[in-house]
Amino acid sequence: GIQVEQSPPDLILQEGANSTLRCNFSDSVNNLQWFHQNPWGQLINLFYIPSGTKQNGRLSATTVATERYSLLYISSSQTTDSGVYFCAFAYTGTASKLTFGTGTRLQVTL
Amino acid sequence: SAVISQKPSRDICQRGTSLTIQCQVDSQVTMMFWYRQQPGQSLTLIATANQGSEATYESGFVIDKFPISRPNLTFSTLTVSNLSPEDSSIYLCSVEEGNGYTFGSGTRLTVV
Repeated sequence: GIQVEQSPPDLILQEGANSTLRCNFSDSVNNLQWFHQNPWGQLINLFYIPSGTKQNGRLSATTVATERYSLLYISSSQTTDSGVYFCAFAYTGTASKLTFGTGTRLQVTL
Repeated sequence: SAVISQKPSRDICQRGTSLTIQCQVDSQVTMMFWYRQQPGQSLTLIATANQGSEATYESGFVIDKFPISRPNLTFSTLTVSNLSPEDSSIYLCSVEEGNGYTFGSGTRLTVV
């Protein structure tokens, strides 16, 4: 199956710092999304971004499907950004089943 | 986007018992998905639930352990049967929309 790698696996930032999270996948995919799982376990949809660039406040994401990667940018990080960030996608040509990456655990400190 | 109400939000259960988790969607959807997230791990798809047919289970998950009901296009339940401590996880339901997938708020299950 498709291999997905998220990096870095863990990240500690001081409040106000910027960061870039990466998701690499080994084959063409559909429906690429970024999620934030907060410390209470809730999974929040950040971006649906099969290609191109989107921005929402301090967050933005870029997917380059031809080169099989996606990036999530967090600017001016806040403690509320802490949690785990997952990329997820559906295999091209399959029924709608999301496969999740291993996640990046982010901790933002004061 | 769709709003999913999932309950219970958490529960502590005795081993050998069962827990039924409910998901209610505020719109009609063809497929609903059930995921498990073991402690410190990523999410893994358990099964896909279609209204009017039996759920389709992923490798490693069986109907006897995780029976699913889908009585209509807005509702589904997942039962985790014969609980053991290894079933302690977060369970989430999900639906697909035109602009991606939306998840319920999750059920945190602890088996003692």
